[in-house]
Amino acid sequence: DVQLVQSGGVLVQPGGSLRLSCTASGFAFSIYWMHWVRQAPGEGLVWVAHIKGDAGEIHYADSVKGRFTISRDNAKNTLYLQMHSLRDEDTAVYYCARDPVGSIPCDYWGQGTLVSVSS
Amino acid sequence: EILLTQSPGTLSLSPGERATLSCRASQTFDNNYLAWFQQKPGQAPRLVIHSASSRATGIPDRFSASGSGTDFTLTISRLEPEDFAVYYCHQYGTPPWTFGQGTKVEIE
Repeated sequence: DVQLVQSGGVLVQPGGSLRLSCTASGFAFSIYWMHWVRQAPGEGLVWVAHIKGDAGEIHYADSVKGRFTISRDNAKNTLYLQMHSLRDEDTAVYYCARDPVGSIPCDYWGQGTLVSVSS
Repeated sequence: EILLTQSPGTLSLSPGERATLSCRASQTFDNNYLAWFQQKPGQAPRLVIHSASSRATGIPDRFSASGSGTDFTLTISRLEPEDFAVYYCHQYGTPPWTFGQGTKVEIE
């Protein structure tokens, strides 16, 4: 079975840093694009970043560009999101998602990680 | 960035009724790549429709969708209790990918 298991939630102070992880199993991780999508409390879904299977192509939403870095370790079947200079408005549940590319968008999602940015 | 506007914000219906959800894009996007996701409280989104009108694996045929260009519709022919949730449209044809703000389908 396809599974995406994310690291646990955390509280971090404004200006702080944090790395999220998402470990995949049940599929050939290295050939899939992977995404991070976030959802602030009570709000809708917002795309954050994505990375090609070989990490040869990466894109970010403007709201996180220069502060967040998406990466992957295909030997460990793990996706990462390194977050720096965190702000109150970064408080959200962060989801990782698998993207088969082509006509089917993100078809499997992780369980989500709650990131709370507060002093 | 392509803005997706969903209507209505909330749909109050009874089980067995028909639900019609709308999604309008601020401009066209590539390949008519429009998806619909279902999300229940405390859960990750679940893919329902891709490519504007194709049901995802395991989605019952009471779910149907249509549209092209900038106007898209999701229809649930007869609401089952498990269908009450928030539905998001999502365009993945032209980066950056964007989502609508959601339509909540609630029990009347």
